[in-house]
Amino acid sequence: AQTVTQSQPEMSVQEAETVTLSCTYDTSESNYYLFWYKQPPSRQMILVIRQEAYKQQNATENRFSVNFQKAAKSFSLKISDSQLGDTAMYFCAFNGGTSYGKLTFGQGTILTVHP
Amino acid sequence: GAGVSQSPSNKVTEKGKDVELRCDPISGHTALYWYRQSLGQGLEFLIYFQGNSAPDKSGLPSDRFSAERTGGSVSTLTIQRTQQEDSAVYLCASSLGGGAQETQYFGPGTRLLVL
Repeated sequence: AQTVTQSQPEMSVQEAETVTLSCTYDTSESNYYLFWYKQPPSRQMILVIRQEAYKQQNATENRFSVNFQKAAKSFSLKISDSQLGDTAMYFCAFNGGTSYGKLTFGQGTILTVHP
Repeated sequence: GAGVSQSPSNKVTEKGKDVELRCDPISGHTALYWYRQSLGQGLEFLIYFQGNSAPDKSGLPSDRFSAERTGGSVSTLTIQRTQQEDSAVYLCASSLGGGAQETQYFGPGTRLLVL
């Protein structure tokens, strides 16, 4: 079974600064997909960024980028130029291998952006 | 286009009553998922539908929980004889196909409170 671990229950950052959220996972599979989802107080889970394990290049979406270290099974999310609207719970998620089709989530990190 | 919708948004019920939660996926999405989000357990997978079939029901916590999907579209999650530990947010997601590479799009969830 796959496991996903987010070791930072809460993080805070000043507006316009950069913050990195950590995620590690455990799997014996070689082909899988990793995701970061954002859940604001409205409860709507929104996809932030995704990474295919077979791609060495780190995914980037505007102010959001990942540092994917396959050998270390690490998948961190970097948010640059933080904005107040980035305040939310962030979940790291895994899909692939024996969990094919369903997402396995980490415990989540609450990010607060301060003005 | 329209996203995933869920109803009701909130449901308060008494212990022992049955409840039905509804999910309308994005039109054309063949895969549909139910997850449960609670303080103690985080985000847990419940069941996965491909079309009207449920190839993975491994996350349903007990036989009080059941789900169906009709016409390859709307899904209903039913909880019989509700217990206080069933209190949680129930999230529905859909994706174009059922593969691990597919992005899952989430609805706003139904918050269930069992008194």
